[in-house]
Amino acid sequence: ETGVTQTPRHLVMGMTNKKSLKCEQHLGHNAMYWYKQSAKKPLELMFVYNFKEQTENNSVPSRFSPECPNSSHLFLHLHTLQPEDSALYLCASSQGLTEDYGYTFGSGTRLTVV
Amino acid sequence: QKEVEQDPGPLSVPEGAIVSLNCTYSNSAFQYFMWYRQYSRKGPELLMYTYSSGNKEDGRFTAQVDKSSKYISLFIRDSQPSDSATYLCAMSVARGNNRLAFGKGNQVVVIP
Repeated sequence: ETGVTQTPRHLVMGMTNKKSLKCEQHLGHNAMYWYKQSAKKPLELMFVYNFKEQTENNSVPSRFSPECPNSSHLFLHLHTLQPEDSALYLCASSQGLTEDYGYTFGSGTRLTVV
Repeated sequence: QKEVEQDPGPLSVPEGAIVSLNCTYSNSAFQYFMWYRQYSRKGPELLMYTYSSGNKEDGRFTAQVDKSSKYISLFIRDSQPSDSATYLCAMSVARGNNRLAFGKGNQVVVIP
């Protein structure tokens, strides 16, 4: 596989459920990101990891919990979500934080909270 | 005032027409400007990037930056149905991926 792969593609969960989103990149990149994309809103940066260390948390509610066990894998653990958390969650990677421009995005996980 | 303004559209054009997209911004410190293309059910992909003011051309695509007006544009010549997608502008002050401010995205439909 190449690029950035996200699973699952679609997820429906109740507000009391616990689920996890997975992202895997096969590009040898060192930085990975979680973004939230809601209808009619700009992309919102959620978390940044560089060499598996978290470098940024953009005031994301604690019901979203990221995990980066190595530079190739990134998870987003979800619990007690709200309906307004329904959105497309995009994972992205880049070679580094400052050396170049252009993320490689995954296709996203379409999350619906019921 | 939002940091980056982009009309979400949709914009429908006939095949072969020129597509013109633009974003305005409020932060005069922005220096790096990008356009991403996002097909339905896919993640965004980097299409063009420019530094500071000026034009950049790549095939049928031209990106323009006018820092004095805080205005950037993307032109698509000889548009094709395969250009149907959402186009997002993005910009940053410093060189660094985690400081990008995105527009809402503009949906473009090219009609055969």
